[in-house]
Amino acid sequence: AQSVAQPEDQVNVAEGNPLTVKCTYSVSGNPYLFWYVQYPNRGLQFLLKYITGDNLVKGSYGFEAEFNKSQTSFHLKKPSALVSDSALYFCAVRGRMDSSYKLIFGSGTRLLVRP
Amino acid sequence: DTGVSQNPRHKITKRGQNVTFRCDPISEHNRLYWYRQTLGQGPEFLTYFQNEAQLEKSRLLSDRFSAERPKGSFSTLEIQRTEQGDSAMYLCASSSHDWGGMNTEAFFGQGTRLTVV
Repeated sequence: AQSVAQPEDQVNVAEGNPLTVKCTYSVSGNPYLFWYVQYPNRGLQFLLKYITGDNLVKGSYGFEAEFNKSQTSFHLKKPSALVSDSALYFCAVRGRMDSSYKLIFGSGTRLLVRP
Repeated sequence: DTGVSQNPRHKITKRGQNVTFRCDPISEHNRLYWYRQTLGQGPEFLTYFQNEAQLEKSRLLSDRFSAERPKGSFSTLEIQRTEQGDSAMYLCASSSHDWGGMNTEAFFGQGTRLTVV
């Protein structure tokens, strides 16, 4: 069965500092991996995805994520956090053999960036 | 705006009533998904359409739930005889495929928040 774990309910970081939001996954075969962000009373917004190729993926708003196959991880990173990055972040996985293309989401990590 | 549109945004209903939600996907997207999100959790897959065909349903989708996508355009999700446990955010998403046949990322609507009292 496919699953995603986001071990931290909340991550606190000061503005200007680097941030990391952790994600590990379990899936048969090679995964497709995604990060989405959710602001209050809004739907999910796509940030970035890993399909194949370079393990370091760059996405929207200066975010990037590193795919690590041996550790089955896909941590989200940003070199310098902004207060406006404060939101709920979801990691998601899809198995390459899943013909429905449905996403399996983690439980989310709340990022709080303090001024 | 050509994003995914969901209506209504909020719905309060009494237990036992029926409710119906609508989703209008991005126009060129042939794949449509319904997810449910409860407080403190990530979205959970409910069902998937490719064009007008409903190809997969989650075990979460009890027989009180039914979804349709007539003509492969908009979709509706109906919940009959609502229960308090149905209170959640219902999210719709759509996707397509690129020229290489790869599925694009899913684009989500803002959701319909259902409260059953």
